[in-house]
Amino acid sequence: QVHLVESGGGVVQPGRSLRLSCVASGFMFNQYGMHWVRQAPGKGLEWVAMIWIDGRNKNHADSVKGRFTISRDNMKNTLYLQMNHLRVEDTAIYYCAKDRGPGMVEGDFDYWGQGALVTVSS
Amino acid sequence: DIVMTQSPVSLPVIPGEPASISCRSSQSLLHRNGYNYLDWYLQKPGQSPQLLIYLGSIRASGVPDRFSGSGSGTDFTLKISKVEAEDVGVYYCMQALETPMTFGQGTKMEIK
Repeated sequence: QVHLVESGGGVVQPGRSLRLSCVASGFMFNQYGMHWVRQAPGKGLEWVAMIWIDGRNKNHADSVKGRFTISRDNMKNTLYLQMNHLRVEDTAIYYCAKDRGPGMVEGDFDYWGQGALVTVSS
Repeated sequence: DIVMTQSPVSLPVIPGEPASISCRSSQSLLHRNGYNYLDWYLQKPGQSPQLLIYLGSIRASGVPDRFSGSGSGTDFTLKISKVEAEDVGVYYCMQALETPMTFGQGTKMEIK
């Protein structure tokens, strides 16, 4: 059974940093691309970043490019999102999500974690 | 970026009756491999989103067959043959053709 468990959320001041983690289990983590998707309070879904199985190829949304970095540790079955220079508008629930396709990134999200709330406020 | 537009924004439904949601993309989602890179997700109240349909018409594992996806190019539809009370929530379409993946604004389905 696939499980994705995020941690690391919290309240942080604008301009500060935070790192989210997502521990995966129930599937061959090193065979799947992974994503971060966020949802501002009461709003819709926004894709944030994705990473290929080898960890070298990554894409980030323009809204976070240069501030956020996705990474993974296949030995620890863990996905990360390093968030620097946080802004009030980054306030959201951050979900990690497993890509559907093994070996290549399909761009669909077949399993989601429960989410980690990040609140950026002074 | 590809813009996704859903309609309606709000959908009151009666259990046992059919329902449908439309999604339009600002450019074709038809890949040269013949698949449309269009997904449907449902976010039930208080829960994380779940994948219902991928590649336009393929039901994800465990999704009841009352859900079906259709369409091609820029126009897509999610249909529920007979709505059940557990189907309430917000439905999102999303294009998976290119990054950034982009979502529609959502359709909130409620029991009438």
